[in-house]
Amino acid sequence: DAKTTQPPSMDCAEGRAANLPCNHSTISGNEYVYWYRQIHSQGPQYIIHGLKNNETNEMASLIITEDRKSSTLILPHATLRDTAVYYCIVLSGGTSYGKLTFGQGTILTVHP
Amino acid sequence: NAGVTQTPKFQVLKTGQSMTLQCAQDMNHEYMSWYRQDPGMGLRLIHYSVGAGITDQGEVPNGYNVSRSTTEDFPLRLLSAAPSQTSVYFCASSYGLGRSIEAFFGQGTRLTVV
Repeated sequence: DAKTTQPPSMDCAEGRAANLPCNHSTISGNEYVYWYRQIHSQGPQYIIHGLKNNETNEMASLIITEDRKSSTLILPHATLRDTAVYYCIVLSGGTSYGKLTFGQGTILTVHP
Repeated sequence: NAGVTQTPKFQVLKTGQSMTLQCAQDMNHEYMSWYRQDPGMGLRLIHYSVGAGITDQGEVPNGYNVSRSTTEDFPLRLLSAAPSQTSVYFCASSYGLGRSIEAFFGQGTRLTVV
């Protein structure tokens, strides 16, 4: 599975959009981009995933560049409860067997 | 729907003791896995299973055993606890091949080995 690079920390004002970047320059054609978050030592929580197209759900939007070498997770209206560590993970849908490789992630702090 | 349930939530062991961390899921997921998380670190995969009767090693398997006799349960056994195994342990489950690999995690077991 391709390696990912994320900034170690980011800040965001409450109510504003939080844009979390992720680089995955060695991603291959059958690999998906997944985002998880972990709130204060709880179990990680799935947010969203995508292959090529941009995706949106009730939690967030995922923007993947055309060359698929990077992506951005967007929390449109960040709240204090969105303060967490966000992990960008790349894995093959067919052969990963559910194995997730967690890096250091990005610590997002949402300020009042 | 309980999701993924881990027991116990907290445990203190003495060096050399053995114990089993329990993990159960009620979503009929094929894949189950165990991770450990040390302070300030990301999660690391210990063992995983792609179905009942099938297990394999992850990144940090030494000192741990697993078995998968049923789809629902995936216990993690510490054979002889060491202080280096002090960590938070997470169990996860997900659907299998060809389906979305959205993993569901338990709330963790916080283990201290003294």
